[in-house]
Amino acid sequence: DAGVTQSPTHLIKTRGQQVTLRCSPKSGHDTVSWYQQALGQGPQFIFQYYEEEERQRGNFPDRFSGHQFPNYSSELNVNALLLGDSALYLCASSQGRAEAFFGQGTRLTVV
Amino acid sequence: QKEVEQNSGPLSVPEGAIASLNCTYSDRGSQSFFWYRQYSGKSPELIMFIYSNGDKEDGRFTAQLNKASQYVSLLIRDSQPSDSATYLCAVSTNAGKSTFGDGTTLTVKP
Repeated sequence: DAGVTQSPTHLIKTRGQQVTLRCSPKSGHDTVSWYQQALGQGPQFIFQYYEEEERQRGNFPDRFSGHQFPNYSSELNVNALLLGDSALYLCASSQGRAEAFFGQGTRLTVV
Repeated sequence: QKEVEQNSGPLSVPEGAIASLNCTYSDRGSQSFFWYRQYSGKSPELIMFIYSNGDKEDGRFTAQLNKASQYVSLLIRDSQPSDSATYLCAVSTNAGKSTFGDGTTLTVKP
């Protein structure tokens, strides 16, 4: 079992650009949640996808959007990148609302 | 007031001692409670979860939940230097949203 996998692991983007991050959930998991973690802080909930629908959303602007595919994998898209979007982006998968397991994260740097 | 509060630490204990980590939450509708360990530069790793009031033990780890007091704790017995990390408390509602605290940094000194 490969666990939760995210790609890419590191990314550098210029302010104003758009970025897409990808996540493959753990085998048997149908729910994917995305988090943003700034240095020294806990992960902040962005949104959660279940059955290809956004089920819950945190306090993030519409520049942050996502998608879940029929195979349960997911993408996080961020438009019009700001310097403040630099962070570790984490994907977590679960079976429904059970305990969630994280991928290794994508470190995004906006310059 | 933050939705999930943890002592930021750092918490320092000698090797072999018991480390006690605490967490309080504000949403009385919270149903699921998790403890994650995060090493510097790595992603969080799930170490314990608890859904009912009382204690839950798994090896050297014990999670304690008191919903009336809105309080969750994690005890680490026989602490080892490899336990040195940041411990994150997470709380979930039935709607599926998880809220994390900012973590407590634990250092176990040999």
